[in-house]
Amino acid sequence: QVQLVQSGAEVKKPGASVKVSCKASGYTFTSYYMHWVRQAPGQGLEWMGIINPSGGSTSYAQKFQGRVTMTRDTSTSTVYMELSSLRSEDTAVYYCARDGGSACNIWGQGTMVTVSS
Amino acid sequence: QSVLTQPPSASGTPGQRVTISCSGSSSNIGSNTVNWYQQLPGTAPKLLIYSNNQRPSGVPDRFSGSKSGTSASLAISGLQSEDEADYYCAAWDDSLNGPCVVFGGGTKLTVL
Repeated sequence: QVQLVQSGAEVKKPGASVKVSCKASGYTFTSYYMHWVRQAPGQGLEWMGIINPSGGSTSYAQKFQGRVTMTRDTSTSTVYMELSSLRSEDTAVYYCARDGGSACNIWGQGTMVTVSS
Repeated sequence: QSVLTQPPSASGTPGQRVTISCSGSSSNIGSNTVNWYQQLPGTAPKLLIYSNNQRPSGVPDRFSGSKSGTSASLAISGLQSEDEADYYCAAWDDSLNGPCVVFGGGTKLTVL
C-alpha cells in the first residue's frame, strides 16, 4: 500500500540543525511531488515547501528561505527536510505529504522535533 | 495569523448539518482550487475534499465542499460523534514571492 514513513523524534539545542527523512513506498517515487508541512503544539498547519523527486527542484515558503533544504534520494525513495539555526519556535511536528495532483492525499505519520536548551 | 480565515470553532448535535467557512483573496481561493483536511486528535491530517468539491475514495458523501469567488465552505450533514476533529482549508497562493500553499487557521468541530 502507498505509505510514507518518517524518521523518529528529535531533540535539538538552539542553533543546531535537524534532518528529517520520509521514505515512500507503494508507488513510483519520482511521479509525485512531496510537500513538507509543520504544526507547532496546539497550533495550525504551516506549509514549508515542496520538492520534485524527479529532478530535485524545490520551492520554499519565504519564511524558511535560507534555513530549509529539501533533498531526495531516488535510490531509496526518500525525501529529506533539513532545517538549520533552530530556535524554540521551531518545536513542532513535521509532516511530509505526497501531492496527488490536486492536494496532499498521503501523509507521513509526523516527526516531533523539540528545540530546547 | 493565517492567510485563509476560518472560524476557530463550530459545533452541532448528532444528525445536524454544520458548515465551516474559509475566506481568502484573489491570489489564492479566487484563482486556485480549495482543499479540506480533517485532523483527528493526535493523528496526521487526512484529505477530505479536493478541487473544491471532490471527495477522495472512502470519504462519506456526508462531507461536501463548495467555492464561490474568494470563499469556500465545507458542509457536514448527518453529524456523527466521530466527526469531532480539526478541519483545515488550503489553497495555492500566487504570491509575488513565488507560489506557495496557504492554510486556514483551522476550525475545531465539537459534536455536542
